[in-house]
Amino acid sequence: GNSVTQMEGPVTLSEEAFLTINCTYTATGYPSLFWYVQYPGEGLQLLLKATKADDKGSNKGFEATYRKETTSFHLEKGSVQVSDSAVYFCALRSTGNQFYFGTGTSLTVIP
Amino acid sequence: DTAVSQTPKYLVTQMGNDKSIKCEQNLGHDTMYWYKQDSKKFLKIMFSYNNKELIINETVPNRFSPKSPDKAHLNLHINSLELGDSAVYFCASSARRSRGQNSTDTQYFGPGTRLTVL
Repeated sequence: GNSVTQMEGPVTLSEEAFLTINCTYTATGYPSLFWYVQYPGEGLQLLLKATKADDKGSNKGFEATYRKETTSFHLEKGSVQVSDSAVYFCALRSTGNQFYFGTGTSLTVIP
Repeated sequence: DTAVSQTPKYLVTQMGNDKSIKCEQNLGHDTMYWYKQDSKKFLKIMFSYNNKELIINETVPNRFSPKSPDKAHLNLHINSLELGDSAVYFCASSARRSRGQNSTDTQYFGPGTRLTVL
């Protein structure tokens, strides 16, 4: 079956620290992979996506590379800011057009 | 130009009442969804629906029912509200691709409706 596993939070970092949030998936076929971000009091917004192996999605300084060999899509940012404090969700869209979300990782960045 | 909108944003009601949450999308998408997010931010799919197929998460009580008057709307009706129904409910939409095609379409979310059952 299809599923997404992401690292549990909460994660607390100092401003300008390096961020990694791990995400691994299980899927049949060739899914598309996504990272969504949810800022406090808001809905989920697409952060970045990748549709095939070795693709790199990037946005707002965040990056994630679709690694088929390790079935991973880890989110990284070189230097986090206080404004990056949010909950981050890894997700996949299966070839059967179903979406599967991870449990979310809460990130707090302190000045 | 709101892509996916929900009303109301906040809903406070008594146990046992029946309530509805409305959702509208202006993206021309043909698939819509309802999610429930609990206090720990865990996101649970409740329904996905297009004009041909309703997929229900089997763990959703039958007190919850989606109603779609047209492709742009998917409303959520909840009967006999219980304390455990308190959560934030998100509507979302996406464009459907045929099985076997490599889809790149994203799911777009509404701002959420915070339901509090007293």
